[in-house]
Amino acid sequence: AQSVAQPEDQVNVAEGNPLTVKCTYSVSGNPYLFWYVQYPNRGLQFLLKYITGDNLVKGSYGFEAEFNKSQTSFHLKKPSALVSDSALYFCAVSRTGGATNKLIFGTGTLLAVQP
Amino acid sequence: ETGVTQSPTHLIKTRGQQVTLRCSSQSGHNTVSWYQQALGQGPQFIFQYYREEENGRGNFPPRFSGLQFPNYSSELNVNALELDDSALYLCASWGLVHGRDEQFFGPGTRLTVL
Repeated sequence: AQSVAQPEDQVNVAEGNPLTVKCTYSVSGNPYLFWYVQYPNRGLQFLLKYITGDNLVKGSYGFEAEFNKSQTSFHLKKPSALVSDSALYFCAVSRTGGATNKLIFGTGTLLAVQP
Repeated sequence: ETGVTQSPTHLIKTRGQQVTLRCSSQSGHNTVSWYQQALGQGPQFIFQYYREEENGRGNFPPRFSGLQFPNYSSELNVNALELDDSALYLCASWGLVHGRDEQFFGPGTRLTVL
């Protein structure tokens, strides 16, 4: 069965400092991995995804994520956090070759960036 | 802007009633998925439609049903509403961005069941 774990309910970081939001996954076969951000009372906004190729994926708003197959991780990173980055972040996985584009989401990590 | 719209934005129903939520995708997006996001949780996959046929379903009972129309709009219908159906309902459609498939989410419909 596919699953995603986001071990931290909340991450606190000071503005200007680097941030990391952790994600580990379990899936049979090769995974598609995604990061989405959700602002209050809004839908999900796509940040980046990994399908194949370079393990370091660059996405929107200066975010990047590193795929680590041996650790089954896909941590989200940003070199310098902004207060406006404060939001709820979701990691998701889908299985390549599946009949659907079904995404399995983690429970989310609330990122709080202090000025 | 994702090009995916949903209506209504908010809805209040009572237990036992029926509800229809609507989603409009961009032209050319043949696949639409629906998700339920309970408070404090990640979205849960309800089902997916491709060219007006359901081609995948999550762990939701049959009282959750859907329709997809040729004009790239779709509906989620929920019968016999229960209190636990209170959630944000998200639709997502697939389309090509720079030659790659991307899943675009709508802003969601907040359903409250009293």
